[in-house]
Amino acid sequence: KAGVTQTPRYLIKTRGQQVTLSCSPISGHRSVSWYQQTPGQGLQFLFEYFSETQRNKGNFPGRFSGRQFSNSRSEMNVSTLELGDSALYLCASSAGQGINTEAFFGQGTRLTVV
Amino acid sequence: GENVEQHPSTLSVQEGDSAVIKCTYSDSASNYFPWYKQELGKRPQLIIDIRSNVGEKKDQRIAVTLNKTAKHFSLHITETQPEDSAVYFCAAKWGGGADGLTFGKGTHLIIQP
Repeated sequence: KAGVTQTPRYLIKTRGQQVTLSCSPISGHRSVSWYQQTPGQGLQFLFEYFSETQRNKGNFPGRFSGRQFSNSRSEMNVSTLELGDSALYLCASSAGQGINTEAFFGQGTRLTVV
Repeated sequence: GENVEQHPSTLSVQEGDSAVIKCTYSDSASNYFPWYKQELGKRPQLIIDIRSNVGEKKDQRIAVTLNKTAKHFSLHITETQPEDSAVYFCAAKWGGGADGLTFGKGTHLIIQP
């Protein structure tokens, strides 16, 4: 069974630009969550999607948004990029809510804002 | 919301010795506690998890204990090996909710030869 796939692996963007990251979950998994990882703040929850609906969002500004498609693939978008948005963005997939909450991470997208 | 504290931030042990990493959580409604291992440049990998209806779980050299009353849980690694060197993250979540995982800041485990 294929794991969680994130594309692209690396991105370099300029301040003010926008970026879209993609995540394909494990086949059969319907929940996708996104995390930002930085040396200073560690792993922080961005948002979670289940069956195309955003169920919750972490403490991030509105410049961070996402969506999920009917095939469970998810994208996150960051608009008006700031230098502080440089981070490793990880998505995790899980079978859903309730007892089946094991989350499996993708390799991440390394975003550098210059 | 949930808050997870993790200690120590760095742990150096001799190969073959045991390592213990401790975490505390704030939300008594949390009922799912996974541990992830992240090697340099790689994704976090789930190594063990525990749910609030059990107090201890073991998988070969790795064990996790949970004290719901004190709201803390610990990772125990016995007979450490060089390949155990990595950053370990604890996390907490309410399994029925959509808040995502709340992670500790991580512990850098160094295995000295």
